[in-house]
Amino acid sequence: SQKIEQNSEALNIQEGKTATLTCNYTNYSPAYLQWYRQDPGRGPVFLLLIRENEKEKRKERLKVTFDTTLKQSLFHITASQPADSATYLCALDAGNMLTFGGGTRLMVKP
Amino acid sequence: DAGITQSPRHKVTETGTPVTLRCHQTENHRYMYWYRQDPGHGLRLIHYSYGVKDTDKGEVSDGYSVSRSKTEDFLLTLESATSSQTSVYFCAISGGTSPWEFGYEQYFGPGTRLTVT
Repeated sequence: SQKIEQNSEALNIQEGKTATLTCNYTNYSPAYLQWYRQDPGRGPVFLLLIRENEKEKRKERLKVTFDTTLKQSLFHITASQPADSATYLCALDAGNMLTFGGGTRLMVKP
Repeated sequence: DAGITQSPRHKVTETGTPVTLRCHQTENHRYMYWYRQDPGHGLRLIHYSYGVKDTDKGEVSDGYSVSRSKTEDFLLTLESATSSQTSVYFCAISGGTSPWEFGYEQYFGPGTRLTVT
């Protein structure tokens, strides 16, 4: 079965620095991978998706990379702000079906 | 925000009682999903629907049933609630139209916090 792993430990960084979150997967080669943000007490919100042949995708201060050889996606937030503090989830896209990782909590300190 | 609501938002019930959670969408999307979220397990798919009266099981479907009699409503029923079903339940929708379509993001509802005592 598909397995998708994110660092379960919280990531603490200083405001202004770049946050890098990792998503690793096994037993599957997804054509797409999606990233979501989840704030406490709320449902996840879609941020970005990347296709296997895109390697890198950007949206404002967000950047996602997708390495199908390493079976890994990296999610970067540049010039991080305290408002970026949240849990970030990655998800394998299996065709209208998503398998989510456990999420990584990001804390940006002022 | 996508037009998706869940009711109730909070519920406390006793072991052995039936519970029904409702998801309502105003987007006319074909796909609807029920997930549960627990510490240490992340989001896990319970059941999903790809059209009216068309449903299928997800990863953790035991003890749950679903129904979809209208495009806009997707119901999740716990026939006899157990303490292991204490969780936060999320409904989601997607704009895809067939099983082999990729790249459709999901829109999530606000969640229902269910406690089974």
